[in-house]
Amino acid sequence: DAGVTQSPTHLIKTRGQQVTLRCSPISGHKSVSWYQQVLGQGPQFIFQYYEKEERGRGNFPDRFSARQFPNYSSELNVNALLLGDSALYLCASSFRALSGNTIYFGEGSWLTVV
Amino acid sequence: AQKITQTQPGMFVQEKEAVTLDCTYDTSDPSYGLFWYKQPSSGEMIFLIYQGSYDQQNATEGRYSLNFQKARKSANLVISASQLGDSAMYFCAMREGGDSNYQLIWGAGTKLIIKP
Repeated sequence: DAGVTQSPTHLIKTRGQQVTLRCSPISGHKSVSWYQQVLGQGPQFIFQYYEKEERGRGNFPDRFSARQFPNYSSELNVNALLLGDSALYLCASSFRALSGNTIYFGEGSWLTVV
Repeated sequence: AQKITQTQPGMFVQEKEAVTLDCTYDTSDPSYGLFWYKQPSSGEMIFLIYQGSYDQQNATEGRYSLNFQKARKSANLVISASQLGDSAMYFCAMREGGDSNYQLIWGAGTKLIIKP
């Protein structure tokens, strides 16, 4: 079975541009979460979606938005990119919104803002 | 206050030795879960082991075991018979219970280097 897949794996954007990151969860998983990991730090929670509804939002500005599609895949959008948005963006997949022990991550999308 | 504390920024361990990575947590919620993940330089966050707050026994997964001391609020990861491939960043994370919390809270990580 395929794991969590994310695309693109690497991308470079210019300040002020917009970016869309994509995530496909493990088959059968209905919950997707997004995390930002700045170099040298632990990940920070951005969003969680379950059954296409937003179930949690971290302390990120409104430039960050996300959505979940009927097939449970998800997109993370970041507008008006800043240099500080440069990070690894991780998508996590889980069966239920509040999972026990099944939270799996993709390989991440490395975003560099120049 | 830090919810997850990993006090070891880096560790060097000889191959085949056992290694313990420390994690302490802070929560007032009686229902919570503790996770350990491995992150190689490629970036993927690899799930290793999980311990629920109500689990009576310490979790084990192959060479990984979790030394869960609830009263001390610690959840240390033990890797037995370390291998060169174990070299990576290791993160401890916590999920707090309750209908309003759906996020993992992460420590700063420990960089583990296995020496041949």
